Amino acid sequence: SQQGEEDPQALSIQEGENATMNCSYKTSINNLQWYRQNSGRGLVHLILIRSNEREKHSGRLRVTLDTSKKSSSLLITASRAADTASYFCATARGANSKLTFGKGITLSVRP
Amino acid sequence: GAGVSQSPSNKVTEKGKDVELRCDPISGHTALYWYRQSLGQGLEFLIYFQGNSAPDKSGLPSDRFSAERTGGSVSTLTIQRTQQEDSAVYLCASSYSSYSYNEQFFGPGTRLTVL
Repeated sequence: SQQGEEDPQALSIQEGENATMNCSYKTSINNLQWYRQNSGRGLVHLILIRSNEREKHSGRLRVTLDTSKKSSSLLITASRAADTASYFCATARGANSKLTFGKGITLSVRP
Repeated sequence: GAGVSQSPSNKVTEKGKDVELRCDPISGHTALYWYRQSLGQGLEFLIYFQGNSAPDKSGLPSDRFSAERTGGSVSTLTIQRTQQEDSAVYLCASSYSSYSYNEQFFGPGTRLTVL
């Protein structure tokens, strides 16, 4: 069963705008990760945030985590057409446990 | 260096036949994961290996599914007596260890179609 639920399911924005994607989960976690997938094939790891962290940055990416609300958000600033992809949040319940993925968000960035 | 590779990239089979999917992880990665991605179910965990042993097989959907890993490297996922609901993209990932903080590197997947 899915642990994470992302919203919106689909997002369409203009190049240069910011994209915000949200993820909610049900159980306590050890860490939460965001992945990107192009063309329905291999996933690429974007960023990881630990349960004791609240915010993390990596380039144009900013991720926040609110464990009291069991939710996370991924912000992509100054979006580019190349950011068009599906984005998944994934949670790990323990330090040595599998990842459980949400259903994903389809982001379209119009040039 | 080389990433995770999977073969075949596409496989079309008839219902009832057995299939084998192969995954070559990144050299030196001790953890290897299998996932399945389908339109209806999203991305589902199937099984993971630490070395040659599988501490968590909880995602295998039925006893028609099995996987093995030999030499701490290549892994094979076998589906016996395939059914149409087995149609999906099967993704393999590897990481330095099974410690969940380690990034998982994914292969391009095998698209399985059961007719």
